[in-house]
Amino acid sequence: DTEVTQTPKHLVMGMTNKKSLKCEQHMGHRAMYWYKQKAKKPPELMFVYSYEKLSINESVPSRFSPECPNSSLLNLHLHALQPEDSALYLCASSHLRVSNQPQHFGDGTRLSIL
Amino acid sequence: GESVGLHLPTLSVQEGDNSIINCAYSNSASDYFIWYKQESGKGPQFIIDIRSNMDKRQGQRVTVLLNKTVKHLSLQIAATQPGDSAVYFCAEISRDNYGQNFVFGPGTRLSVLP
Repeated sequence: DTEVTQTPKHLVMGMTNKKSLKCEQHMGHRAMYWYKQKAKKPPELMFVYSYEKLSINESVPSRFSPECPNSSLLNLHLHALQPEDSALYLCASSHLRVSNQPQHFGDGTRLSIL
Repeated sequence: GESVGLHLPTLSVQEGDNSIINCAYSNSASDYFIWYKQESGKGPQFIIDIRSNMDKRQGQRVTVLLNKTVKHLSLQIAATQPGDSAVYFCAEISRDNYGQNFVFGPGTRLSVLP
């Protein structure tokens, strides 16, 4: 079991739907991340939140909208997605003030766009 | 043996043999390195890490070696077991104004043969 919990595990949506992915951690980490992972590829960074503020947006299209309501929760709101957005979406968290600490990953949400 | 091509590099080893997975990193300023294991349907799981002031670190059945001169990282798994079958990613971490900058390697699939 991972210490980072992501829901739902699987999501199928049409290109006109609006849905949200959720991530939760209770390790006291103040950095949280969204990654996109395509098959047979490493995770690609999308967003970084530091102390609940967006610190990095890796040129992600606006149809992906992140939100960090508090230090334990991270959401990714989805709207008008394209078929190429089908992928595994991973959430991770890590300490901020402590250096040389790994990121801890959830098991991801498998997203399929019809 | 190991095969590299358009697909994910794959290393096939006999059960009970030792495995060596290699990774070349690019940033000489990276000062922290991590190996992750990703099983099918799961997120990356932390295995072992090493700081740049070390050249070797051992865990349970795993050893990480760091050669900063040639920017090379390796993961050695002793007495490889079927449960070790997974994709292994190295990650190099450097620091910038936003905190830690994680860069994942392309990954290697380890296949354990009975």
